[in-house]
Parts: sequence; C-alpha cells; structure tokens
Amino acid sequence: DVKVTQSSRYLVKRTGEKVFLECVQDMDHENMFWYRQDPGLGLRLIYFSYDVKMKEKGDIPEGYSVSREKKERFSLILESASTNQTSMYLCASSFESYPREQYFGPGTRLTVT
Amino acid sequence: AQTVTQSQPEMSVQEAETVTLSCTYDTSESNYYLFWYKQPPSRQMILVIRQEAYKQQNATENRFSVNFQKAAKSFSLKISDSQLGDTAMYFCAFMGGGTSYGKLTFGQGTILTVHP
Repeated sequence: DVKVTQSSRYLVKRTGEKVFLECVQDMDHENMFWYRQDPGLGLRLIYFSYDVKMKEKGDIPEGYSVSREKKERFSLILESASTNQTSMYLCASSFESYPREQYFGPGTRLTVT
Repeated sequence: AQTVTQSQPEMSVQEAETVTLSCTYDTSESNYYLFWYKQPPSRQMILVIRQEAYKQQNATENRFSVNFQKAAKSFSLKISDSQLGDTAMYFCAFMGGGTSYGKLTFGQGTILTVHP
C-alpha cells in the first residue's frame, strides 16, 4: 500500500514563528503536492514539486515556501506564521505517468494564535 | 483556469437508499481526467472513482458510479445501497492533460451523512 505520512496531526504555533510541515511518501512518486483545506473552499494548491529540488507555485503560494531535497520528502515552510494560515494542510504524491492518481497524507491541523 | 463547482454543501440519505452528488466544471481542454475523492471524518482522503474524458462509458466501482456529460461539463457521483461507512466529505476534482504534472483543481466539497 502507498503510504504518505505527515510529521504532525495537530500543531499550535504563535504568530511570527517559523513553521515546518514535513511530508514523506514511500512509493517513489515523482510528484508531490501541498494543499490547504478550508471549509467552503475545498482544497487549494499551495506548491508542488515534480522532481528533487524542483518546485512550482500553485494557486495560493503567498506566505509559504517549500523544499524538496530528497525524492521522498517534501516540506512546507511558513516563514512567519499568521493567524490567517490557521488551516488543515494536506500533502499528496503521485507518479508522473497517467493516470497520476494522488495519494494523500492524514493532514496536519495547524492553529496559529 | 479550470473551475470545479459542487453546489450541494450538505446532503443526507437513509441507509440502503441511493444518493447523487453533483459536480460541474469549466475547462477549454479536450483531454482531461475527473475524480471523486472521499474524506471520512478524521481519516485520510481516498480515491473513489476516476473518469477519463476521452472515454464515453461512465466509470463504475462497485456501488459507486458516475454520470459523465462532457458537453454539459457535468460529472455526478451516484452511490447505490448507501452504507453508514459512506458518511464523509466528497470532493470532485479536475486534472488537465499535458504537462500539468497531475495538478488537481477541487470543488468545495459535499458533506454526505448516511442515517441508519
């Protein structure tokens, strides 16, 4: 079975802190994604990566950065957390070949106070 | 840019009955994929069913089937013989073809509650 894990299920941080969210997949997937999930808005793509050290902005990249130093690991970084970044963060991964089905991690519920 | 719309924020159904969740999308592409994902309470998102736009036949997976109307840009999910375990948030998602790297555009989600 494909396994996508995220470093924390719940996280509470203070405004202005630097926050790291880690995601690891064990299926040798080329593509990895970070989404945030908010009620009424569905999932919105923050950043994605199609190869080691390669990254591209998604629909809402402002206030976030990412790092992919190894194929299996994709990190989301909040440089200076703000209260409007309180959300559920979901990581996903997929092969580059079709049908490119995405497999999701359990999510990290981040609260910024 | 593609958009995906789920117009039903919440739905409920009695166990063993059939329910249909609606999804519409907007795209100028001719080759794409559509998905329904399920997110049970406090559990991971999983794929329910997938439809390739070039296939005219509607996809089915056991109790789950879709009604894909390409001209109308509509992609509804039918759940037959609903079970308590079907209670979840359901998301419709669009993936373009070509060099999109498999990015998904999601709808807003529909919360489905199955009552005993």
